[in-house]
Amino acid sequence: GESVGLHLPTLSVQEGDNSIINCAYSNSASDYFIWYKQESGKGPQFIIDIRSNMDKRQGQRVTVLLNKTVKHLSLQIAATQPGDSAVYFCAENSASDYKLSFGAGTTVTVRA
Amino acid sequence: GAGVSQSPSNKVTEKGKDVELRCDPISGHTALYWYRQSLGQGLEFLIYFQGNSAPDKSGLPSDRFSAERTGGSVSTLTIQRTQQEDSAVYLCASSLNYNTEAFFGQGTRLTVV
Repeated sequence: GESVGLHLPTLSVQEGDNSIINCAYSNSASDYFIWYKQESGKGPQFIIDIRSNMDKRQGQRVTVLLNKTVKHLSLQIAATQPGDSAVYFCAENSASDYKLSFGAGTTVTVRA
Repeated sequence: GAGVSQSPSNKVTEKGKDVELRCDPISGHTALYWYRQSLGQGLEFLIYFQGNSAPDKSGLPSDRFSAERTGGSVSTLTIQRTQQEDSAVYLCASSLNYNTEAFFGQGTRLTVV
């Protein structure tokens, strides 16, 4: 069946460095992807999205890359800050499936 | 409203009791989702609404779980005869339509004792 998952459960990053969080998906029909950030005790917060007709999309300090050939999604955070410490989830959706399917999440810890 | 609102924020209930969780989506959003998140885990899909209808109920874990949405707006998730394994954070999200940005509420933390 289809699944969305993240390659690494934890990531430790030095403050000021760039972070890269990876996500693999298996549903070739997936055409819409979202990255969420979840801080302790809060609901997931929308960060950035990308559709399958794009390879890259940039936001403020964040970039999402989509490689449809290998079904891989990544989130890059530039100049990581302590406030970036959180769990990051990727989610995918397809036109034939209503629900957003989530991966297990990657915990990012920023070292001062 | 400005964002997705869920109530109550916390609920402690005795095993066997029924509970009702409420979600107020962002005004104008036709799509509404319910998810469940156990401690330290990912998001488990429960149900999706498009308007007042639920084309996808595939995630409801048992017949003790039900949900409805009225007026294309407020949704309630009802859990009957709660069990300890129902303890989790229940999250609601809404989007303009499916396949568009979905925004989450803060969740309801349910504890069954």
